[in-house]
Amino acid sequence: DADVTQTPRNRITKTGKRIMLECSQTKGHDRMYWYRQDPGLGLRLIYYSFDVKDINKGEISDGYSVSRQAQAKFSLSLESAIPNQTALYFCATSEPTGMLDNEQFFGPGTRLTVL
Amino acid sequence: AQKITQTQPGMFVQEKEAVTLDCTYDTSDQSYGLFWYKQPSSGEMIFLIYQGSYDEQNATEGRYSLNFQKARKSANLVISASQLGDSAMYFCAMRSMDSSYKLIFGSGTRLLVRP
Repeated sequence: DADVTQTPRNRITKTGKRIMLECSQTKGHDRMYWYRQDPGLGLRLIYYSFDVKDINKGEISDGYSVSRQAQAKFSLSLESAIPNQTALYFCATSEPTGMLDNEQFFGPGTRLTVL
Repeated sequence: AQKITQTQPGMFVQEKEAVTLDCTYDTSDQSYGLFWYKQPSSGEMIFLIYQGSYDEQNATEGRYSLNFQKARKSANLVISASQLGDSAMYFCAMRSMDSSYKLIFGSGTRLLVRP
């Protein structure tokens, strides 16, 4: 079984709808991240969390909110989806160290289309 | 600010030949870490190789090696003996030295391996 899972894998929705993307991990990592990937661009950080009481905005947090329900679960919500939020969304986890080689482990991605 | 630049949007290589994917970076930090990820058409992000700024040797992982030239601030990925399965997007990334420890990604290079 995958260490980092995301549900749903694909979602088509309409403008104005509320959408929740879920991420679960079995790696036991404290740090979790939500990234967004747009065509022709690399990944950009939306939100991150270092534990259940720690939520931080990334560079593109407008229009999004998150919830860290448990160490293993980190959800991303679009309160009122708009077409320019159409993108591939990734959840990632990492160990709680400041080491430079601290790898991030990515989920399989959720492809979201907002019509 | 830290930045990753990948100037090759797309590249072709003949099967069994070697290919170099370019990556330049900008940072004022003395210590930093650089990563390469592969993204096949299925969308997942696969970690390939890591290079630390103080590593004296260029990193190698199987057919992947990193041509690290610190003075030029470049960290090019070399894939030897290309295989059809190497066709994918390749992203260079740098560990952020701010409190998020996020990865800062380049825009990627799409590699197509020809039979």
